[in-house]
Amino acid sequence: DAGVIQSPRHEVTEMGQEVTLRCKPISGHNSLFWYRQTMMRGLELLIYFNNNVPIDDSGMPEDRFSAKMPNASFSTLKIQPSEPRDSAVYFCASSPKGTSGYEQYFGPGTRLTVT
Amino acid sequence: DQQVKQNSPSLSVQEGRISILNCDYTNSMFDYFLWYKKYPAEGPTFLISISSIKDKNEDGRFTVFLNKSAKHLSLHIVPSQPGDSAVYFCAASALGDMRFGAGTRLTVKP
Repeated sequence: DAGVIQSPRHEVTEMGQEVTLRCKPISGHNSLFWYRQTMMRGLELLIYFNNNVPIDDSGMPEDRFSAKMPNASFSTLKIQPSEPRDSAVYFCASSPKGTSGYEQYFGPGTRLTVT
Repeated sequence: DQQVKQNSPSLSVQEGRISILNCDYTNSMFDYFLWYKKYPAEGPTFLISISSIKDKNEDGRFTVFLNKSAKHLSLHIVPSQPGDSAVYFCAASALGDMRFGAGTRLTVKP
């Protein structure tokens, strides 16, 4: 079992550039979550999908952020244009079901630095 | 709007003693609570959970207590070991939506 796979592990980009983060959930999991971790705010839920459908995107900071899940095995989080305040570690997690009672399995994260 | 709060950013305990990590929540719709442990450069990993119909769940050295009336939960680690040093996140779930606290960094000194 490969677990949740995220790429890239590290991304350094200049302000104004487009950034795309990628996630492959655990096979068979129906729910996928994107989080952002910062020192000030800890782990923030950005968006989550059930069966490839976005359920709650109220955590997405602004229109510069967008997420897609074109199929059950792949999701992207895009930031366009990126800003220095977007620098953080972004985690993807998946869960067997989109209901309470199931833990989430996290990927290793993507450390994003915007200069 | 922080629905899950961990008010202690850090905690330091001596090896062999008890570690108590606390968490408060505001949303009464939460029905499942979890603790995650995170080492540097890794994603959080699940540690222990509790359903809202229970007030205690124990797994080896780890015990989670839930006080629904106070909207408070805690994680007890007994005895604490140096390998327990990590950041601990409290999480609460309702209908699949999960919210995390900001984390508490636990340091267990040999």
